[in-house]
Amino acid sequence: NAGVMQNPRHLVRRRGQEARLRCSPMKGHSHVYWYRQLPEEGLKFMVYLQKENIIDESGMPKERFSAEFPKEGPSILRIQQVVRGDSAAYFCASSPRGQGSQSYEQYFGPGTRLTVT
Amino acid sequence: QQQVKQSPQSLIVQKGGISIINCAYENTAFDYFPWYQQFPGKGPALLIAIRPDVSEKKEGRFTISFNKSAKQFSLHIMDSQPGDSATYFCAANTSSNQFYFGTGTSLTVIP
Repeated sequence: NAGVMQNPRHLVRRRGQEARLRCSPMKGHSHVYWYRQLPEEGLKFMVYLQKENIIDESGMPKERFSAEFPKEGPSILRIQQVVRGDSAAYFCASSPRGQGSQSYEQYFGPGTRLTVT
Repeated sequence: QQQVKQSPQSLIVQKGGISIINCAYENTAFDYFPWYQQFPGKGPALLIAIRPDVSEKKEGRFTISFNKSAKQFSLHIMDSQPGDSATYFCAANTSSNQFYFGTGTSLTVIP
């Protein structure tokens, strides 16, 4: 029973390039969350998605960042025209339950460490 | 602003000692309080969680104490072991499903 999968594990991009981060939730989970973690800081919520729907993107920067979770395939976090400040670890989590449910659990993937040079 | 405040930032404990990490929150709508453990290079792993209708939950050497009136909760690790050395995050969420994480505590258990 595979856990949450993320790839790539490490990604190096030059300033101005695009970064695509992928997340495959646990089997049976249809809710995906993306978080960003900067060194010595906690996890900051970015976006919550269900299949084909963005439920809450209140933590997403207004520009350059987008996320999707298509009917088939992994969830994608896309960062266009990356800047040095985008360097961070990006974690995806999945949950079997969603909005309106109380006390649900989130299971995290191993993360993608993005370095912008 | 930081919805969940965590302290201390770092903690050093002797093997066999008790590690205590504290968190405080303001939003009374929070109804689920998990603790996550993270090893370097890994994703956070759910350790233990509590709901506000109980004051304490114990799982093995890990205990959550919850004080609803003070809006505080803490993680106690009894008989701390070197293998417990990791970063610990508290979190809180509401039924809207957004999690708010503390800034983390780096625990080092000295043999």
